[in-house]
Amino acid sequence: RKEVEQDPGPFNVPEGATVAFNCTYSNSASQSFFWYRQDCRKEPKLLMSVYSSGNEDGRFTAQLNRASQYISLLIRDSKLSDSATYLCVVIKNYGGSQGNLIFGKGTKLSVKP
Amino acid sequence: DGGITQSPKYLFRKEGQNVTLSCEQNLNHDAMYWYRQDPGQGLRLIYYSQIVNDFQKGDIAEGYSVSREKKESFPLTVTSAQKNPTAFYLCASTSGPDRYTGELFFGEGSRLTVL
Repeated sequence: RKEVEQDPGPFNVPEGATVAFNCTYSNSASQSFFWYRQDCRKEPKLLMSVYSSGNEDGRFTAQLNRASQYISLLIRDSKLSDSATYLCVVIKNYGGSQGNLIFGKGTKLSVKP
Repeated sequence: DGGITQSPKYLFRKEGQNVTLSCEQNLNHDAMYWYRQDPGQGLRLIYYSQIVNDFQKGDIAEGYSVSREKKESFPLTVTSAQKNPTAFYLCASTSGPDRYTGELFFGEGSRLTVL
C-alpha cells in the first residue's frame, strides 16, 4: 500500500456542484495532515490544515478519520476558479522535520460553466 | 515582498552536463527543501536542510547535490549521474521544525529538459 493515496480524477463538475476528495494514508502513526492546491504548471500552495475535529474555511471543509486512516476535502458551491489539482499531504512522524512530509499524487478538479 | 525565487524558470541541458538550479529566500526561514515533480506524480523529496552548513538526503538524492553556505540560499546541482533529470523542480522553505505549521512556501519552480 502506498504511503498516501488519492484518486487522480479528473473530477469534472458543473459550477455550483459539491465535490469531495478522499485521501488514504498507510502509517497509523501519522499525526499531521494538510491539503495543498496546485494550479497547472505552478507551485503548490497550502489550502488548509486538517484537524481531528474537522475544520471549515468558507466553502471548504476538511475532515480526518483516524480509524479508517483517511482525510477528506469537501468543496461546496464550486467555482470555475476552484479548478486545480488538490494534493493530500501527511506528516509521517510526530515531531519530525518536514523531511517527513509525504505528498499524494493529487486529484485533479475541473469545474465547468 | 518576501518570498522564494528560483532560477532559471526553464532550462535545457544536453546529456552529460551538470546544471545548477538556484533557490534564494528572504523569508528568514531556517529550513529549505528541494522537490522533484514528474507529470501525474506527487512531489518527491531530493534534499533538505534545516540549518546552514547541514543538509540531509531525501528519498531520491542519487544524481543530485546541494550546498547550504548561507541561510538564504540552497542551490541544487543536477549531475550527469542523474539518469532521468527531465522534471519540474520545486524549492521550498519553512521556519523550521520547532515552529512547524505544515506550511511550505514554494518557489515558482524550474523546468529542466534534457535534450
